[in-house]
Amino acid sequence: DVKVTQSSRYLVKRTGEKVFLECVQDMDHENMFWYRQDPGLGLRLIYFSYDVKMKEKGDIPEGYSVSREKKERFSLILESASTNQTSMYLCASSPDRINTIYFGEGSWLTVV
Amino acid sequence: QQQVKQSPQSLIVQKGGISIINCAYENTAFDYFPWYQQFPGKGPALLIAIRPDVSEKKEGRFTISFNKSAKQFSLHIMDSQPGDSATYFCAASMNSGYSTLTFGKGTMLLVSP
Repeated sequence: DVKVTQSSRYLVKRTGEKVFLECVQDMDHENMFWYRQDPGLGLRLIYFSYDVKMKEKGDIPEGYSVSREKKERFSLILESASTNQTSMYLCASSPDRINTIYFGEGSWLTVV
Repeated sequence: QQQVKQSPQSLIVQKGGISIINCAYENTAFDYFPWYQQFPGKGPALLIAIRPDVSEKKEGRFTISFNKSAKQFSLHIMDSQPGDSATYFCAASMNSGYSTLTFGKGTMLLVSP
């Protein structure tokens, strides 16, 4: 089975802190994604990556950056956390461009 | 911006009934339409998917109906069970370039015992 692991399930951070959300997949997938999920807004794509050291902006990249130094690992970075970034963050991966993607269980971030 | 519009936002169905969730899209270049199921505290998981060369796909109690001319597709859950209570997302994408999935806003389904 495909496994996408988000190391931190629940985090509480202060406004202005730098936050790292880590994601690892174990299936040698080329593509990795970060989504944000908010009630009533569905799943919104923040950033994605189709290769190591490659990144592309999604629909809501403002306030976020990403890093992909190794194929299996994709990190989401909040340079200066703000309260409007309180949300659930979902990492995902896929083996190809057919877009069957596999999600992790999510990281709940609260910024106070 | 490419959009997928999903309705209803929430749905309550009695056990044994049929649950129907609808989605509409605008971009005629979309050619892959998956449905994802998400249980509380979990990430979404692929439930069933269809491509526009067929009008219907069935897997167990779950069926996708696809109407290319109307640019609509729907999920039907037959004989709905309490264990089907979850949030359902439709999505769409193009199989070209760096296309990504565009998701609907989700439907919270509650199947009452």
